[in-house]
Amino acid sequence: EIVLTQSPGTLSLSPGERATLSCRASQSVSSIYFAWYQQKPGQAPRLLIYGASNRATGIPDRFSGSGSGTDFTLTISRLEPEDSAVYYCQQYGSSWYTFGQGTNLEIK
Amino acid sequence: QITLKESGPTLVKPTQTLTLTCSFSGFSLSTNGVGVGWIRQPPGKALEWLALIYWDDDKRYNPSLERRLTITKDTSKNQVVLAMTNMDPVDTATYYCAHIKSSPFDFWGQGALVTVSS
Repeated sequence: EIVLTQSPGTLSLSPGERATLSCRASQSVSSIYFAWYQQKPGQAPRLLIYGASNRATGIPDRFSGSGSGTDFTLTISRLEPEDSAVYYCQQYGSSWYTFGQGTNLEIK
Repeated sequence: QITLKESGPTLVKPTQTLTLTCSFSGFSLSTNGVGVGWIRQPPGKALEWLALIYWDDDKRYNPSLERRLTITKDTSKNQVVLAMTNMDPVDTATYYCAHIKSSPFDFWGQGALVTVSS
């Protein structure tokens, strides 16, 4: 089983700042099968990034993904108050899916 | 427009079997590459993938829960059903179904909270 470890656990930043969220896999993951989701309280997750760096439909270009192998990054430039949420990374490998434990992004 | 909605009991007793139905519209589960998955989230905790069924009836299960799970589809009704046996209070969670084509879950249902308690 591939374990995804996200860091930091909590991130507190101000509007306009840049957020960098990390996800490390316990073994190499194909970038094709790597995604990021945003989840706000009381809502279902929303797909942000797929294929490690491709924005899903309707996602602002403030959101970008990068990485390969075991290290992946979600970057949110120019934070806005509505970006306050929990962010999850996810991979699909060896026929099953795993999610990271989440990063809680707080906007001050 | 793709939509999904979960339905089923809100409360089940320990040892019972949970049966959840995902009803969807805007796509067909007979289309090449399409699948529907189930994911759950205990209160205040992270997401956990449970199972996935593809258009060709290929089924995948979380290895840690596989012996308790069964996923089936009814293409004519646009429904996917998940059964989980031997429910325990630790299985209390919001259960989501989601659409998939290739890798990520791109459309999600609103979720259904299931509480396991005697």
